Amino acid sequence: DVVLTQTPPTLSATIGQSVSISCRSSQSLLDSDGDTYLNWLLQRPGQSPQLLIYSVSNLESGVPNRFSGSGSETDFTLKISGVEAEDLGVYYCMQATHAPLTFGSGTKLEIK
Amino acid sequence: EVKLVESGGGLVQPGRSLKLSCAASGFSFNDYWMGWVRQAPGKGLEWIGEINQDSSTINYTPSLKDKFTISRDNAQNTLYLQMSKLGSEDTAIYYCARVDYGYWGQGVMVTVSS
Repeated sequence: DVVLTQTPPTLSATIGQSVSISCRSSQSLLDSDGDTYLNWLLQRPGQSPQLLIYSVSNLESGVPNRFSGSGSETDFTLKISGVEAEDLGVYYCMQATHAPLTFGSGTKLEIK
Repeated sequence: EVKLVESGGGLVQPGRSLKLSCAASGFSFNDYWMGWVRQAPGKGLEWIGEINQDSSTINYTPSLKDKFTISRDNAQNTLYLQMSKLGSEDTAIYYCARVDYGYWGQGVMVTVSS
């Protein structure tokens, strides 16, 4: 199975600060169809996960543009440009290039 | 509005079976792959599996393939997860999701305990 390693495991930020979360894959996530199926999700406390970014860098409809994704092959980054209070929660990367689909272990964002 | 509503959870004894349902509305259910994901208390997300539009392809995470069965009824816009031989390790919140992962249900808790 593909292992996704997220760093850091926890992150503490002030409102307005920009932060980045890394997701490294044990295998290239570039699919034979040319797409890279690496998504980012946010799970707020007590809620279901919410899709933020799909296919590395595509912003899901309704998601604020302070969220952005980048990367390729095995190294990916989620950036939040100007953290807001509602951004607290656990961020997960997930890959759907290789079966079975796998998730990273999560990065917990706390607001100082 | 897209809605996914899970039901059927609760307390179940070890070794028993349980069937979860996920009622879908607000989109053309029979046009989408659907899937199940679970989350043990205080832990991360674990993919269970997925089913295609006409049930001809069903994929599972290998460790759960012999215990869990995913099915769907397109006439009823409902996704199912049949779970058997349940153990304490299966205690979790179970989510259904449309397989673009843009839509998730609210989750249903399954507790396996005597």
